[in-house]
Amino acid sequence: DVKVTQSSRYLVKRTGEKVFLECVQDMDHENMFWYRQDPGLGLRLIYFSYDVKMKEKGDIPEGYSVSREKKERFSLILESASTNQTSMYLCASRGDGGYEQYFGPGTRLTVT
Amino acid sequence: QKEVEQNSGPLSVPEGAIASLNCTYSDRGSQSFFWYRQYSGKSPELIMFIYSNGDKEDGRFTAQLNKASQYVSLLIRDSQPSDSATYLCAVPRYNFNKFYFGSGTKLNVKP
Repeated sequence: DVKVTQSSRYLVKRTGEKVFLECVQDMDHENMFWYRQDPGLGLRLIYFSYDVKMKEKGDIPEGYSVSREKKERFSLILESASTNQTSMYLCASRGDGGYEQYFGPGTRLTVT
Repeated sequence: QKEVEQNSGPLSVPEGAIASLNCTYSDRGSQSFFWYRQYSGKSPELIMFIYSNGDKEDGRFTAQLNKASQYVSLLIRDSQPSDSATYLCAVPRYNFNKFYFGSGTKLNVKP
């Protein structure tokens, strides 16, 4: 069964903290994605990775960075959290040759 | 102009009725279109995709694509309360590595 897991369901951090969100998939997928979801704005792509150590900016990369050291793990880093980064963060993965993205359960991040 | 636009709703229909959800897109070169369902507090899950003009049916769901008018619809026949969710329309780019999502239409099916 397809499985994408995220390290936390809920996270509360203070402004200026460095925040790590972890995502792990067990499907041997090449491609992994980080989105944020905000009311009225839908899902917006932050970064994606198509291979280990490879990454591409999405539509809203400012204030974020990513790391992919192993195929199954894709990390999103907020270098200095700000209140406008309060959001639901969703990780997804997709195998080469497929079109479906499989989503993790999401992390609701609150920055105070 | 947004890549993908949807009416946010909520759309309320009685149980057993047909629910019609609509989506418009801006890039005339778009080839395929995806519908995701997202229950409250859950992550999106793919329910259908379509890439040819016309209709595609899967059980109670029918996707309709009109490329000339640049809209895609999702019809849900015999709507059930369990269909109550937000439905997201998505258009892929860059070999399915970028998806542009609409903001979603919230559907309420009343028993």
